[in-house]
Amino acid sequence: DTEVTQTPKHLVMGMTNKKSLKCEQHMGHRAMYWYKQKAKKPPELMFVYSYEKLSINESVPSRFSPECPNSSLLNLHLHALQPEDSALYLCASSQVETGEQFFGPGTRLTVL
Amino acid sequence: KQEVTQIPAALSVPEGENLVLNCSFTDSAIYNLQWFRQDPGKGLTSLLLIQSSQREQTSGRLNASLDKSSGRSTLYIAASQPGDSATYLCAAHDPFNFGNEKLTFGTGTRLTIIP
Repeated sequence: DTEVTQTPKHLVMGMTNKKSLKCEQHMGHRAMYWYKQKAKKPPELMFVYSYEKLSINESVPSRFSPECPNSSLLNLHLHALQPEDSALYLCASSQVETGEQFFGPGTRLTVL
Repeated sequence: KQEVTQIPAALSVPEGENLVLNCSFTDSAIYNLQWFRQDPGKGLTSLLLIQSSQREQTSGRLNASLDKSSGRSTLYIAASQPGDSATYLCAAHDPFNFGNEKLTFGTGTRLTIIP
């Protein structure tokens, strides 16, 4: 099973809302990632968790707050977002042995 | 800083033709090279991973090669089908983040197979 799942598929939120994106994998991968992708651009790395610890933060604004409750789950908490944060948010996980990354289907976020 | 380029940005070919997609990277000290496809509005699907000790990988009609010394990778698609229409992205794995893979993505090639 090489599946990464993400919920919700679509999310519309106002600038004062608080919401969370969820990601799950059951492949035993010990690294998990959040990416942001704008239209017609490649994904941009936001955060990396390795063995449930935050290992890379690509200078992401504090209105994005990641959380890794266990080795299978990854959350991204959103608060006070701006319209320019509207994008496709992708979660991925990778095998330690090879580093191959597997992506979820993404959450399409629209900030009004 | 690693830079990854994919040329052309868009490609249209008739169904049944064989085709090659190109990926160039500036720093040959990569760890792995991974090819993905992305359908509009969807996530990325991993196609092939070429590890640093390998020169090529094959999966079905796909064959990817890696030449680190020249900074190039190619993805060969045989007997193209309309279902192959998608954006193809290559990504170089940073060698200094093993286990926490930092990928540098190319800008992608948008492939259209004409029935």
